[in-house]
Amino acid sequence: GQSLEQPSEVTAVEGAIVQINCTYQTSGFYGLSWYQQHDGGAPTFLSYNALDGLEETGRFSSFLSRSDSYGYLLLQELQMKDSASYFCAVREGNFNKFYFGSGTKLNVKP
Amino acid sequence: GAGVSQSPSNKVTEKGKDVELRCDPISGHTALYWYRQRLGQGLEFLIYFQGNSAPDKSGLPSDRFSAERTGESVSTLTIQRTQQEDSAVYLCASSLDGGRPQHFGDGTRLSIL
Repeated sequence: GQSLEQPSEVTAVEGAIVQINCTYQTSGFYGLSWYQQHDGGAPTFLSYNALDGLEETGRFSSFLSRSDSYGYLLLQELQMKDSASYFCAVREGNFNKFYFGSGTKLNVKP
Repeated sequence: GAGVSQSPSNKVTEKGKDVELRCDPISGHTALYWYRQRLGQGLEFLIYFQGNSAPDKSGLPSDRFSAERTGESVSTLTIQRTQQEDSAVYLCASSLDGGRPQHFGDGTRLSIL
């Protein structure tokens, strides 16, 4: 089977840096994705890591360690609009199954 | 169209009825996914299409659920004899091919009375 663990809720202030961790257990691991979802909205793609290391896209960065079955999403210079739920998702196997974590609700305060 | 389109946006039906949910992916996207999201929870993978084929249907929760895709375009998710536990938002996503970033529709909010 597979499982993903991420914190249920994180609170930070505007302008700060926050890290959302994701640990996973799965077979046939292909990669780790991150998605953002505002309340009532559709998930939107943020990043994908297939190899170990850090991927940077603007204010957002994502890290993967395959040996530790661990990844994180780093959000810098937090803005109020970053308040949303963030999901990590594991891509498993040739059939492109994607398993999502339960999500981390990020609250950004002024 | 510009994005993934799902219809209806909302569906309320009585327990025991059949429902059909529709997804129009982004033109040219060969991969199409269906997910279920219960309130406050993560996305539950249901099925993946590459072209018109679904190589693995084991994510479908029960034999009341079925899905098909035609013309490497529109997909329908059908739930027969709906139960109250089927109440959720059903999300469709498409991507250029398997593994690429997925583009999600706004979902169909299904409520079973």
